[in-house]
Amino acid sequence: QSVLTQPPSVSAAPGQKVTISCSGSSSNIGNDYVSWYQQLPGTAPKLLIYDSNKRPSGIPDRFSGSNSGTSATLGITGLQTGDEADYYCGTWDSSLSSWVFGGGTKLTVL
Amino acid sequence: QVQLVQSGAEVKKPGASVKVSCKASGYTFTSYDINWVRQATGQGLEWMGWMNPNSQNTGYAQKFQGRVTMTRDTSISTAYMELSSLTSEDTAVYYCARAPSAALPGQYYFDYWGQGTLVSVSS
Repeated sequence: QSVLTQPPSVSAAPGQKVTISCSGSSSNIGNDYVSWYQQLPGTAPKLLIYDSNKRPSGIPDRFSGSNSGTSATLGITGLQTGDEADYYCGTWDSSLSSWVFGGGTKLTVL
Repeated sequence: QVQLVQSGAEVKKPGASVKVSCKASGYTFTSYDINWVRQATGQGLEWMGWMNPNSQNTGYAQKFQGRVTMTRDTSISTAYMELSSLTSEDTAVYYCARAPSAALPGQYYFDYWGQGTLVSVSS
C-alpha cells in the first residue's frame, strides 16, 4: 500500500486532455513539493515535473503540474499515442523521513 | 550530456549479496546526490536511499536499514549499492538516480536515471 494514492489507470482519446491525481497527507504533499515521472514500457523513469509545477528543459508544455492542499495533479493536454506510459508522483515524507512514490497510473490513449 | 550507466544483470542465490555500480559522466560527480530506486516486475517504484558523493553521508529507507550500503569512488565517478541477505523478494530492477544535493528534502527530485540493473534471486 503506497503512502501516495494514484488511480491505477486513466484513458482518453488522442488530442484530448487527461489529469492524474496523487493524494497524500500533511506529512508529505501538504508540506513539500511533488515531482512526476513518466515511465515508458521497458525504460527507466523520466522526470516530467519538479517543484510541483516546473518542467525540465525539453519537456513540452502539454505537461503541467499543480498542488492543492494534500493532493497533486498532473495534467496532459493534446494526448498522443506516445504518451502511453506509467506515471508516478513522488515527494518527501517528513514522518517517515523517506522519499515516497505513488503506486503509479497507467495511461492509455485510445 | 549527463549519463548514468549501470552494471549488468546479476543472478544471485538466496542469502547472498549483490553490488550494483552506477558510473556518472557529463557533470561534476560530487555536486549531486545519488539515490537508488527499485522496481519489481509489474510493480511500482520503491525508494531505497541516498548518498552524497562529496560528504559520503547516506540515508536509507527504514525497510532496508542494516541490509543496504551505499558507497562511491570519486576517482572514477562511480556510486555503488550493495544489498545483503537477498531473498526472492529482492528480485527487481534497480535504478540509480541523480538528485540536487543542495535541495531541501521537500525540494528533492530525480532528474537523471540510469538504465536499470536486473537482479534476480533464485535458488
